[in-house]
This record gives sequence, C-alpha cells and structure tokens, in this order.
Amino acid sequence: GNSVTQMEGPVTLSEEAFLTINCTYTATGYPSLFWYVQYPGEGLQLLLKATKADDKGSNKGFEATYRKETTSFHLEKGSVQVSDSAVYFCALSRTGAGSYQLTFGKGTKLSVIP
Amino acid sequence: DGGITQSPKYLFRKEGQNVTLSCEQNLNHDAMYWYRQDPGQGLRLIYYSQIVNDFQKGDIAEGYSVSREKKESFPLTVTSAQKNPTAFYLCASSTGKAGGEKLFFGSGTQLSVL
Repeated sequence: GNSVTQMEGPVTLSEEAFLTINCTYTATGYPSLFWYVQYPGEGLQLLLKATKADDKGSNKGFEATYRKETTSFHLEKGSVQVSDSAVYFCALSRTGAGSYQLTFGKGTKLSVIP
Repeated sequence: DGGITQSPKYLFRKEGQNVTLSCEQNLNHDAMYWYRQDPGQGLRLIYYSQIVNDFQKGDIAEGYSVSREKKESFPLTVTSAQKNPTAFYLCASSTGKAGGEKLFFGSGTQLSVL
C-alpha cells in the first residue's frame, strides 16, 4: 500500500538557518506529492506540490523536488523565519473510484528561534 | 469569503453519548473528507464523499457515521462505539476532479471525553 515517511521532529533552528525536512514515499503508480503546513490551532494549508518526476514545487521560499529514483520529496528553505514555525506534512495522492485522497506522513514540527 | 467552517471549535463528550461535528463549505466543491489527527500520528481518513447522497469509509471508519444530504454540508457523528474519541478532527474539501488533489481544510474541532 501507499505510505509516507518523514523525519521525526521536533526540529529547532535559529532564524536564517537552512532547513531540510526529509520525506520518502512508497506508492504504486505515479502519485502526486505535496507538502502541507499547519500553524498552531489551525487546519492544514497546501504549501507546494509536484505532479511528476523531476518537477520542482516552490512557494514562499520553500522548495521540493520529486525524485522518482530515490522516491523522495525533501522540503528545503534557504533561510527560515520565526513565522515558519509550524508542523509540516508530506503527502501523496491516491485515486479511488474517481476521487482523490491523500496519504499523509506523521508531520514534522519546526520551531524557529530568534 | 469562500472556505470551510467547522463547529464547534471545542467539544466534550460524556460516556455513552453521541456527538455531531459540523462541517460546511461554500466553495462549491464536490468532494468532502473527514480526518482524525492524533499527536505524532499524522492524519488518518475517516470518511469521504464524492457527491451528494454518497460516501465511503476511509481507513478508520469504525465508531463514526456521516451523511451528505447537501453539497455544502458533511456532518460527522462520533458514536458511543468509538472508544477513544479524543482527537483533533479536520474536515476538508476538494473539487474531486482530475488534478483536484488540493485539499482545503477547516480550522478543526478538538473533541475530548469528560
């Protein structure tokens, strides 16, 4: 079956540090890959996505590249800010009878300190 | 503003009681979903609905029930058969069409057992 594995947190970084959150997946077929972000007390928001191998998703300074050969979709940001503190979820899509549902990783909590 | 509204934000359940969580969307989306979030467990799919008057079980449907009588509404009932209901519940919607894997989430309901 489909599954997503993320690096365990929490991750604590100083402001302006480089961020990497690792994500690997197991899936049949060719899934789309996503990063969602959850700020405290809120629902999830889509951060970026990639729909095929070698695609790079990017948004708000975050990037992730769909690597089919290593089944990975690692999230990176060159210089984090305090406002980036949140929980980040890697996810992949699966199809089921015409609908699209996501399989989520367990989430990685990021704390950025001034 | 278009979006998804979940209510209440906090809910308490007594032993043996059924409780219903509300989810309303005005995005004109066909598909709606309920996820359960436990600390360190990521999100798990409870039920989903692709169209009005139709819904399917997700990965952890036991102890839950749903209805989809209107396109904009997808209430979730946590029954007394759910022995461990304490969790953060998230409702989401999507267009349900090809390429529509982007989920829009509500801000969640925290359910606790008294």
